[in-house]
Amino acid sequence: TQLLEQSPQFLSIQEGENLTVYCNSSSVFSSLQWYRQEPGEGPVLLVTVVTGGEVKKLKRLTFQFGDARKDSSLHITAAQPGDTGLYLCAGGVKLTFGTGTRLTIIP
Amino acid sequence: DAEITQSPRHKITETGRQVTLACHQTWNHNNMFWYRQDLGHGLRLIHYSYGVQDTNKGEVSDGYSVSRSNTEDLPLTLESAASSQTSVYFCASSAGQGNYEQYFGPGTRLTVT
Repeated sequence: TQLLEQSPQFLSIQEGENLTVYCNSSSVFSSLQWYRQEPGEGPVLLVTVVTGGEVKKLKRLTFQFGDARKDSSLHITAAQPGDTGLYLCAGGVKLTFGTGTRLTIIP
Repeated sequence: DAEITQSPRHKITETGRQVTLACHQTWNHNNMFWYRQDLGHGLRLIHYSYGVQDTNKGEVSDGYSVSRSNTEDLPLTLESAASSQTSVYFCASSAGQGNYEQYFGPGTRLTVT
């Protein structure tokens, strides 16, 4: 079973600050995905990273896939209250999900 | 626009009753999945299907069953509901054939009393 560990579990920061959350595994993944989930809704896909070392940017969000394809990070620049949510990484054919990072941005 | 829907959105049932949760997608995706989400456990895979007439057990399949008679629907049945099955259930679909990006429904909150 491929396991994904996310850290931190909880993060609460002030609006305007930068942050990074991590997704780590001992297994190699052919691709990793990041989702954001808001209360009462299903997860929504943000990005898929495929190539080791790949960096993808989505406005203020920067996603990086580790060179060995075992880990990934999400960096948010100048966080805004709209970034609040549960961030999930997932990988594998049947999509193993990490337990998520619950992010709260304080106005 | 293509979408994935779930019904009901909320359900309260009694222990021992059979319950079926519906999932319908208009993406024409081959792959469909059922997850449950509980505090401290994240999303756990219950059952999945790679096409019509194909079903497979996931990580937490005991007490659940699915059937796939067409591309659009994958209903999830709890044969005899138990309090441990109180959870939020999400259905998802993906195109398959190397594309594993999943699109999720809005979820069904099930309470077993």
